[in-house]
Amino acid sequence: RKEVEQDPGPFNVPEGATVAFNCTYSNSASQSFFWYRQDCRKEPKLLMSVYSSGNEDGRFTAQLNRASQYISLLIRDSKLSDSATYLCVVTPTGANNLFFGTGTRLTVIP
Amino acid sequence: DTAVSQTPKYLVTQMGNDKSIKCEQNLGHDTMYWYKQDSKKFLKIMFSYNNKELIINETVPNRFSPKSPDKAHLNLHINSLELGDSAVYFCASSQGMGGDSPLHFGNGTRLTVT
Repeated sequence: RKEVEQDPGPFNVPEGATVAFNCTYSNSASQSFFWYRQDCRKEPKLLMSVYSSGNEDGRFTAQLNRASQYISLLIRDSKLSDSATYLCVVTPTGANNLFFGTGTRLTVIP
Repeated sequence: DTAVSQTPKYLVTQMGNDKSIKCEQNLGHDTMYWYKQDSKKFLKIMFSYNNKELIINETVPNRFSPKSPDKAHLNLHINSLELGDSAVYFCASSQGMGGDSPLHFGNGTRLTVT
């Protein structure tokens, strides 16, 4: 079983829509969680860390559900510029590296 | 003010050749990484160095040899290139070692082996 699993999509949504992605992880002792964004033919960039209490950054809200072992990313009022692949990243406890999901592709349509 | 820079950006070469990719970070980070992103966009770690010391060495053919002359540099040398080595290789750095710190990526090296 993969460390991190995501629905690859694609998600095609109209501008202004709200869209949510989930990501499940297999190691219940995982300690750190992140969402990264990767534009086409570019490097991944940190979007936000995910904290146990949940956190919000403008139109983006990240949440962690330890009981069900998933993290989520909610994007409100989608913009065309939000079109990208969103990568879920998890660090199992004791691991020295981060495990990436395969990414969920989002396209925001005018 | 480039944070993590890697060269070259594109590399096209024939099977059997040897090539190197260089990476430098000016963030003062202690840990550097090499990741491979294949055609299915899956990012997989290859190596990690902390203060010039190898700490992660995933199942990678020994044709791949990383070298860290100092903590700001991590180069990747590949011998006897094969078709399956074609991918995008990303260098990254982080402040900490334990995976708690987010990664800062270079802009990638797109390797095509013909």
